[in-house]
Amino acid sequence: EAQVTQNPRYLITVTGKKLTVTCSQNMNHEYMSWYRQDPGLGLRQIYYSMNVEVTDKGDVPEGYKVSRKEKRNFPLILESPSPNQTSLYFCASSLSPGGLSGNTIYFGEGSWLTVV
Amino acid sequence: AQTVTQSQPEMSVQEAETVTLSCTYDTSENNYYLFWYKQPPSRQMILVIRQEAYKQQNATENRFSVNFQKAAKSFSLKISDSQLGDTAMYFCAFMKPNTGNQFYFGTGTSLTVIP
Repeated sequence: EAQVTQNPRYLITVTGKKLTVTCSQNMNHEYMSWYRQDPGLGLRQIYYSMNVEVTDKGDVPEGYKVSRKEKRNFPLILESPSPNQTSLYFCASSLSPGGLSGNTIYFGEGSWLTVV
Repeated sequence: AQTVTQSQPEMSVQEAETVTLSCTYDTSENNYYLFWYKQPPSRQMILVIRQEAYKQQNATENRFSVNFQKAAKSFSLKISDSQLGDTAMYFCAFMKPNTGNQFYFGTGTSLTVIP
């Protein structure tokens, strides 16, 4: 079954304590992205990756890091989380850009992150 | 930067009726892609329909269709024969080609289908 798996799904952490949200896809997709969803702001792209070792900033990259060492994994790293990073985070993957050429974009189920 | 505007934060429709969700966008690009995504209470993002800007014909997917007006930069979603399962948040999204999946989303419209 085609899947994008995020972990953890729910996390409460404290300011400054480094954390990583993992994302893994089993579809051999080249394109992967991270988004955050906040009330009234919709989804905003944090980082995206076009292939292994190829990543670029989205709209709101400040305070986040990513890496793409393997095709299937695209972890999101918060080196020093702050309360304004409390949000719902989504990972997404697709075979082609934007899910074009008939290939859809698959989203993970979301990760609720609270920073206190 | 591209912007996507959804001016209807909330809408409701009677079951079996038709509803239209509006979306406008701002871009200087000529070629781009537009999407509608559905987010039910489970919070998963589900692709509803996509439209390539170079195609004049409006996309349709079963009960879902779009009215794409390129000159007006408008991309509305029409849901026919609304069903209870259509209750969800709907997001309009814009993507430039050759950007490796760089998306811009609207703020969403919460649709409630009333039995």
